[in-house]
Formats: sequence, C-alpha cells, structure tokens
Amino acid sequence: DIQMTQSPSTLSASVGDRVTITCRASQSITNWLAWYQQKPGKAPKLLIYKASTLETGVPSRFSGSGSGTEFTLTISSLQPDDFATYFCQQYESYLYTFGQGTKLEIK
Amino acid sequence: QVQLQESGPGLVKPSETLSLTCTVSGGSISSYYWSWIRQPPGKGLEYIGYIYYTGSSNYNPSLKSRLTISVDMSKNQFSLKVSSVTAADTAVYYCARSRAAGNLLLDFWGQGTRVTVSS
Repeated sequence: DIQMTQSPSTLSASVGDRVTITCRASQSITNWLAWYQQKPGKAPKLLIYKASTLETGVPSRFSGSGSGTEFTLTISSLQPDDFATYFCQQYESYLYTFGQGTKLEIK
Repeated sequence: QVQLQESGPGLVKPSETLSLTCTVSGGSISSYYWSWIRQPPGKGLEYIGYIYYTGSSNYNPSLKSRLTISVDMSKNQFSLKVSSVTAADTAVYYCARSRAAGNLLLDFWGQGTRVTVSS
C-alpha cells in the first residue's frame, strides 16, 4: 500500500493568515493527489485534484502544488469558513490511501 | 448537485453482517464508480472498495473475503455488506462517487453513518 503522511496534525492560525499543509507519499504517485475539506458531521468536500487543479466552485485562495512524493495545500488568506479538517488522498493506485488529516483551528 | 446519503443500522452484533445503503440523488448512478470508505474511531480513513454501475467491482484485499458491494440502478442506490463483523469494524462509513479524471477521483461524498459492533 502507498502510505500518506500529512503534517502538521493540528494548525492554529488567524483570519487572514497564509497556511500550508504538507502531504508525503511513500512512493511516487506522479500527481494523482487530491485534497479535501471536512467539517464536523458533514461530507468531505473535494478542493483540489491532480495535485494542483482547483475543483469547480472552490475559491482561488486554495492552491495545491507538488509532484512525485511531496505535495502542499496552501490557503493564501484564511477566511472564517476555512477552519476545518483537511486531508490528502492518493489515487495513483485503486487502493486509495489517505493522510491522517490536519485540523485547522482558530488561534 | 449530486448528493449521497448513507443509511442502515447503527448497531450490529459481533459475527453478524453489516449492511448499508447509499442513495444517490441529483444525478444518475450510471457512468460512474461508487465507493465505500470507513474511518474507525481515532484512526485514519480506510478504503473499502468500489463498484461500477455495470456491476464490476474492486475490493480492498484486506477485507475482500468479507465484502459484497452491489448496485441497484432502478433505485439509484448501491450497497455494502460486511460479514462476520468484529469490534474492529466499528467505524464511520462513507459512500462516495468516483469520476474518471485520468485515474478515478472521489468527487462527491456522503456525510457518513456511524456503525458500532457490539453485543
């Protein structure tokens, strides 16, 4: 299985901050990486796929980068609605695997 | 916009079969792949498997011997059965849609349903 390691597990930030979350794969996944946002009791929401492609309707303050084994999700200017849990997922293999998640908290 | 909703018993006894259904609204079940994912308490997400609307499926090898995923196009639903459950099968279970975007991408998820295995 491809292991996904996400960091940090918790991130405290303020509205307006720029934040970055990192995801590492145990082997190359080319650019078959997605990022999701999840709020308590809600369905995960697709933000970015193919490492850097913004899903339709997702605000442009979200961006993704990376290839191979190292990837990042950046939120350029945090908004109140952005405080949530974020997780990465590889889909290079049909046996999808996920990062452990990053909880983004209000400082 | 596509919406997915999981349904099924929240409590299952050990050794019995866990059965969940995912109802798809706002779109057809045809031409997409349909997946199940779970998250045990305090642990990460685990992929269970998928089914194509034609009925072809692919399962996580670690669970394969106990899994059945099926699709009912007439009801716009797909289902999961996990047999011989133990406490390790206690989790929040999510259903999701995959679209073909190069590889299969999970693009819409349900909000999840909690299943506890206990006597």
